[in-house]
Amino acid sequence: GENVEQHPSTLSVQEGDSAVIKCTYSDSASNYFPWYKQELGKRPQLIIDIRSNVGEKKDQRIAVTLNKTAKHFSLHITETQPEDSAVYFCAASPNDYKLSFGAGTTVTVRA
Amino acid sequence: DAMVIQNPRYQVTQFGKPVTLSCSQTLNHNVMYWYQQKSSQAPKLLFHYYDKDFNNEADTPDNFQSRRPNTSFCFLDIRSPGLGDAAMYLCATSSDATNEKLFFGSGTQLSVL
Repeated sequence: GENVEQHPSTLSVQEGDSAVIKCTYSDSASNYFPWYKQELGKRPQLIIDIRSNVGEKKDQRIAVTLNKTAKHFSLHITETQPEDSAVYFCAASPNDYKLSFGAGTTVTVRA
Repeated sequence: DAMVIQNPRYQVTQFGKPVTLSCSQTLNHNVMYWYQQKSSQAPKLLFHYYDKDFNNEADTPDNFQSRRPNTSFCFLDIRSPGLGDAAMYLCATSSDATNEKLFFGSGTQLSVL
């Protein structure tokens, strides 16, 4: 099955700086890569996703890049703000019922 | 605007005492999932329903069962909880079988004493 590894497990950044989270996946058949944000005590929410036919996708301060050859994808948050503090999960799906998640990255934005 | 609702938010049970967690949705999605998330670990899919069709993951223990009496509700039954079953249980829904745009509930934190 699909195995998703996520790094780093914790990330502390100064407000205004950028944050980058990286994930690798094992199943070359995976073609859908969402990112979820989970604030303390709240539900995971989809923040951005990308399909394997696209190399990069951007939504305001958030961007995701995908390298299919290397089987890795990354989340980039620019101009970080305190409300970006949360746990971020990457996931990969080989287009079946399984969405395999990474272990999560706890992001702390220091004011 | 709660669309996937899980009750209770916190559940405490005793070792070996059956417990049921519930999930309801107002999205009319045909797929419902149950994930187990232990501290600092990735959510792990236990099983899912596509309409009334039940799909169990190969490594889901027999101790875990599920029921979906109608489109809106799905239950997770743990027949004999062990200490290792203490975790956050997340319910999620999607509108088709491709796992896109999963909508999660807020989860039920289960403690086993």
